[in-house]
Amino acid sequence: GQQVMQIPQYQHVQEGEDFTTYCNSSTTLSNIQWYKQRPGGHPVFLIQLVKSGEVKKQKRLTFQFGEAKKNSSLHITATQTTDVGTYFCVYSGAGSYQLTFGKGTKLSVIP
Amino acid sequence: NAGVMQNPRHLVRRRGQEARLRCSPMKGHSHVYWYRQLPEEGLKFMVYLQKENIIDESGMPKERFSAEFPKEGPSILRIQQVVRGDSAAYFCASSPQGGSDTEAFFGQGTRLTVV
Repeated sequence: GQQVMQIPQYQHVQEGEDFTTYCNSSTTLSNIQWYKQRPGGHPVFLIQLVKSGEVKKQKRLTFQFGEAKKNSSLHITATQTTDVGTYFCVYSGAGSYQLTFGKGTKLSVIP
Repeated sequence: NAGVMQNPRHLVRRRGQEARLRCSPMKGHSHVYWYRQLPEEGLKFMVYLQKENIIDESGMPKERFSAEFPKEGPSILRIQQVVRGDSAAYFCASSPQGGSDTEAFFGQGTRLTVV
């Protein structure tokens, strides 16, 4: 069956440092979404990637979808304390409407 | 346009009681997902519903749990005879269509505590 790994599980950075989280799939994904969940909050949609090799930017956040559509990454430049939270990649399996969440990467930013 | 509304935000139940969690999707959304999240863990899919239909309940325990999304009114996640292990945050999400082709909007969640 399809397996998607998200790494790292935890990341502690000094404020101002960069941060990257990765999602790697054993099979081709039709598309992938990224969500952020603040501590005590609910998941909030960030972006959707559809095309092979796609790169999208939102201010300090850069999202990439691999050429083979098997991996994706989220990169944050110069982290701020407001970036604290857990970042999830989300996908649907082939022929499924179910949204499956990766295990998430929990980001801590040390001021 | 109000967001996804879940109530109650916090619910305390004694073991053996029933818990009813409500979710009103965003206006115009006919697709509803329920997820469970244990502390420090990811979101686990439970059930996906469209109006009056359960499309995928593969993530829902076979016993004690049920979900519905009637023609009128909110979606309900019902847990009968709750046990301590049911304590978790339950999130509902809605979207205008199913799958990962469109953004899902999440409610604030219901934090269930079983004592």
